[in-house]
Amino acid sequence: QVQLVQSGAEVKKPGASMKISCKASGFTFTNYYMHWVRQAPGQGLEWMGIINPTGGRTCYAQKFQGRVTMTRDTSTSTVYMELSSLKSEDTAVYYCARDRVAGRSYNWFDPWGQGTLVSVSS
Amino acid sequence: QSALTQPASVSGSPGQSITISCTATSSDVGGYNYVSWYQQHPGKAPKLMIYDVSNRPSGVSNRFSGSKSGNTASLTISGLQAEDEADYYCSSNTSNSTGVFGGGTKLTVL
Repeated sequence: QVQLVQSGAEVKKPGASMKISCKASGFTFTNYYMHWVRQAPGQGLEWMGIINPTGGRTCYAQKFQGRVTMTRDTSTSTVYMELSSLKSEDTAVYYCARDRVAGRSYNWFDPWGQGTLVSVSS
Repeated sequence: QSALTQPASVSGSPGQSITISCTATSSDVGGYNYVSWYQQHPGKAPKLMIYDVSNRPSGVSNRFSGSKSGNTASLTISGLQAEDEADYYCSSNTSNSTGVFGGGTKLTVL
């Protein structure tokens, strides 16, 4: 079945960087755009960016430009999201999600990974 | 401030119908039809309930339906059940194909 499995929880200091992974299975990895979405404690969902697994092209939300890098490894069907210069406000659950339709992005997120909690604290 | 505005909360009794609205407050969003809706139970990942304004993925109950009129999309849940109690988020695209979510609506089943 289609599945996205994310790496485990992390604790980071302010100013540090984080890099989390999302391993895909059950579908042809290079056929689907992948997204990252985050959710701060008690808050709503926030779209961070998208990566095209075929060529690696990315598009980031303006809020994260300069701080976020999304990459992929087609040999392991894994996408990565790295966020630098962490602040306490970056404490959140980070989700990867696949776009529903193969070959293009409609920003219909299905399915989602289980989420990775990243805590930023001194 | 999200470009998609949802009511903070709605409630209904079992068996009733409720509707959650999602209004595009920016012209950057309202012209697009790629609206989707997500259900999120506490501590769980969101789940796609409606895509392309009114389409249901396989496995989603037909009690869930979506529509759109002008700048406002709506999610209707009929025959409300206790298990429907959750947070609901709408989502759409912007003109440069970036994603945007509404602020979320907490549904309480009385």
